[in-house]
Amino acid sequence: AQTVTQSQPEMSVQEAETVTLSCTYDTSESDYYLFWYKQPPSRQMILVIRQEAYKQQNATENRFSVNFQKAAKSFSLKISDSQLGDAAMYFCAYRIMNAGNMLTFGGGTRLMVKP
Amino acid sequence: EPEVTQTPSHQVTQMGQEVILRCVPISNHLYFYWYRQILGQKVEFLVSFYNNEISEKSEIFDDQFSVERPDGSNFTLKIRSTKLEDSAMYFCASTERLAGEEQFFGPGTRLTVL
Repeated sequence: AQTVTQSQPEMSVQEAETVTLSCTYDTSESDYYLFWYKQPPSRQMILVIRQEAYKQQNATENRFSVNFQKAAKSFSLKISDSQLGDAAMYFCAYRIMNAGNMLTFGGGTRLMVKP
Repeated sequence: EPEVTQTPSHQVTQMGQEVILRCVPISNHLYFYWYRQILGQKVEFLVSFYNNEISEKSEIFDDQFSVERPDGSNFTLKIRSTKLEDSAMYFCASTERLAGEEQFFGPGTRLTVL
């Protein structure tokens, strides 16, 4: 069974600084997708960034980037120039490619942004 | 921008009662999902639905649960006889295609079982 682990229940960052959220996963599959979802207090899940495992290049979306280490099964999220609106729960998630369509989520990291 | 909607936003029910949670996926999407998040815990997959049938379900999705697409727009989750432990946020999601697609989530329905 696939598992996703987020070892940091809470993180805090000063506004305008950079923070990295950790995620590791366990799988025997070689083709899969990894995602970071943001869940603000409104509770709606919003996709932040996506990475295909077959791509060596790390995904980037504006201030958000990932460090994908396939051999180490690690998928960390870096948020640059943190803003107050970044404060939320962040969930790492995994999905097998071309077989099944369920997302497996990690336990989440609560990010606090200090003004 | 198209979005997934869910109703009601909050449902309070007595233990043993039946509840139906409703979702309207994005109109051209073909794959539909239900997830659950017990307060303070991780989001858990319940079921996926495609072409009018369940394509995958988790251990949580037992005989008390059922899903239906009663018309061309709604996607429902029914819990036949609610238990206290069914209290959770229930999220509906949809995708246009299967492979690699972002699952678009609705805002969730908070179910409280008393």
